[in-house]
Amino acid sequence: GENVEQHPSTLSVQEGDSAVIKCTYSDSASNYFPWYKQELGKGPQLIIDIRSNVGEKKDQRIAVTLNKTAKHFSLHITETQPEDSAVYFCAAPGLDAGKSTFGDGTTLTVKP
Amino acid sequence: EPEVTQTPSHQVTQMGQEVILRCVPISNHLYFYWYRQILGQKVEFLVSFYNNEISEKSEIFDDQFSVERPDGSNFTLKIRSTKLEDSAMYFCASSTDRGAFFGQGTRLTVV
Repeated sequence: GENVEQHPSTLSVQEGDSAVIKCTYSDSASNYFPWYKQELGKGPQLIIDIRSNVGEKKDQRIAVTLNKTAKHFSLHITETQPEDSAVYFCAAPGLDAGKSTFGDGTTLTVKP
Repeated sequence: EPEVTQTPSHQVTQMGQEVILRCVPISNHLYFYWYRQILGQKVEFLVSFYNNEISEKSEIFDDQFSVERPDGSNFTLKIRSTKLEDSAMYFCASSTDRGAFFGQGTRLTVV
């Protein structure tokens, strides 16, 4: 099955700095890569996704890059704000976009 | 904005008892899922459901677990005889052709 590795496990940045979270995956057939944000006591929330026919996608302060050759994808958050503090999960589904193997999660703390 | 709703938010049950966790997926979604998250750990896939049948299940989803879509709106997860290690957050999710939209979860505590 799919194996997803996520780094770092914790990340602390100053407000206004950028944050980068990286994931690698094993199944070369994977072609869709969502990122989820989970706040305390809530379910994961889909924040951005990318398909394998593009290399980068941006949505305001959030961007995701994909390198299919190297089988890794990254989440970039610019101009971080305290409300960005949460656990972020990458995921790599198979052919079913909703069925995902999740990474271990990155706890992002943005210090004011 | 449409959302996935789950009930109850918290369920405490005795070991060996049956529990049913309930979910109402987003109305125009066709794919439904259950995930589990043990405290402090990552989200783990349990089962996916499409066209009124299980399309895929993980090793966690053994004979103690079952899912059902009893009507056009509800989607349930049943654990027949709960064990202490079943204590976790259980998330229902639904999707179309993108990543899943998750509910707020049911915290199951087995005592």
